[in-house]
Amino acid sequence: SQWGEENLQALSIQEGEDVTMNCSYKTYTTVVHWYRQDSGRGPALIILIRSNEREKRSGRLRATLDTSSQSSSLSITAAQCEDTAVYFCATDAMYGGSGNKLIFGTGTLLSVKP
Amino acid sequence: EAAVTQSPRNKVTVTGGNVTLSCRQTNSHNYMYWYRQDTGHGLRLIHYSYGAGNLQIGDVPDGYKATRTTQEDFFLLLELASPSQTSLYFCASSDARESSYEQYFGPGTRLTVL
Repeated sequence: SQWGEENLQALSIQEGEDVTMNCSYKTYTTVVHWYRQDSGRGPALIILIRSNEREKRSGRLRATLDTSSQSSSLSITAAQCEDTAVYFCATDAMYGGSGNKLIFGTGTLLSVKP
Repeated sequence: EAAVTQSPRNKVTVTGGNVTLSCRQTNSHNYMYWYRQDTGHGLRLIHYSYGAGNLQIGDVPDGYKATRTTQEDFFLLLELASPSQTSLYFCASSDARESSYEQYFGPGTRLTVL
């Protein structure tokens, strides 16, 4: 999982496999963002899940949120080589739910091999 | 679609040098942010602003100044650059009216301090 001072996590899978990345946070949050960063580019939002949702789907992406354990996950179904990227979670947890400031996890480097 | 541009894309300077990184967004977003990205630390917030003339301190502000001259333009200043400031810098913007709090990132500036 990714948070705080943890080192960048790395996952390597084969094309067609499913993968889940985890994220934990420390205090109340109103929303968990998942960003994707391709090599040489800035992060881009791919899915977000609000505190009143347990699950959110977008195409092959599925995000979950468990407010009782203060954790979120991002799953990719049938991963493809083009899913290779760094994935970050971000919350507003440290700022009392202000929303306009986010704290980012350290990221998970996902490599999908043909 | 949100458009955030940064210049320069790459910069090399020497210890003690003076550097200005520029960011422009063309979507009338009120919030703008400066982050640095280092391996193992993810994205860390340096400074941010919620409008022209406003400046808020982020989580890692030491050694950095910033100025928001217009709604569109946000600058990051390193007046006495040090090797510890070698990093990848990202600018981002967001619209406080959007309940998603999505941040739109620029392509990044790679700064090397020798």
